[in-house]
Amino acid sequence: EAGVVQSPRYKIIEKKQPVAFWCNPISGHNTLYWYLQNLGQGPELLIRYENEEAVDDSQLPKDRFSAERLKGVDSTLKIQPAELGDSAVYLCASSLQGSYNEQFFGPGTRLTVL
Amino acid sequence: QKEVEQNSGPLSVPEGAIASLNCTYSDRGSQSFFWYRQYSGKSPELIMFIYSNGDKEDGRFTAQLNKASQYVSLLIRDSQPSDSATYLCAVRGNDMRFGAGTRLTVKP
Repeated sequence: EAGVVQSPRYKIIEKKQPVAFWCNPISGHNTLYWYLQNLGQGPELLIRYENEEAVDDSQLPKDRFSAERLKGVDSTLKIQPAELGDSAVYLCASSLQGSYNEQFFGPGTRLTVL
Repeated sequence: QKEVEQNSGPLSVPEGAIASLNCTYSDRGSQSFFWYRQYSGKSPELIMFIYSNGDKEDGRFTAQLNKASQYVSLLIRDSQPSDSATYLCAVRGNDMRFGAGTRLTVKP
């Protein structure tokens, strides 16, 4: 069974540029999460989807961050414009619907903003 | 006060010893408690979860939960060098909150 797929794995951009991250969850997992992880810190939830509905986006900085999961499968997280402080690892995770019990994490995208 | 607190470590134990990792949380309404292992440069992977007060054992790992004290721990018996990683405590209330992790080093 394929795991959570994320791309790109690494991204280097200049500040004020846009950037997008893509995630494909494990087949059959209706719940999808985007986390941000800074060095030496635990993951912080940005947004959680149940199918195509964003059920928790309270921690998403909506002035510059946006996310979508149009068909309830793949998801894209976008930052526009990126700031220096956005440098971090962006993790996508998925789980069976309504369950935090066993989240499977993707490999993450390491973003560097110069 | 952070919602989920862990000692950052590093915690160093010799091979074969018991490693004890601790976590406290602030939300008394928290329902579920998780331990993740994260190797350097990798993503977190779930080791165990626990819902009820007491102990839960899985192989060399034992999770302990005390809701009255708002405390959860992870014991690793017969520690191996391959257990060297950062261990993240996560607590589920209305959402999932992670601690900053404890770095464990198991020395051969």
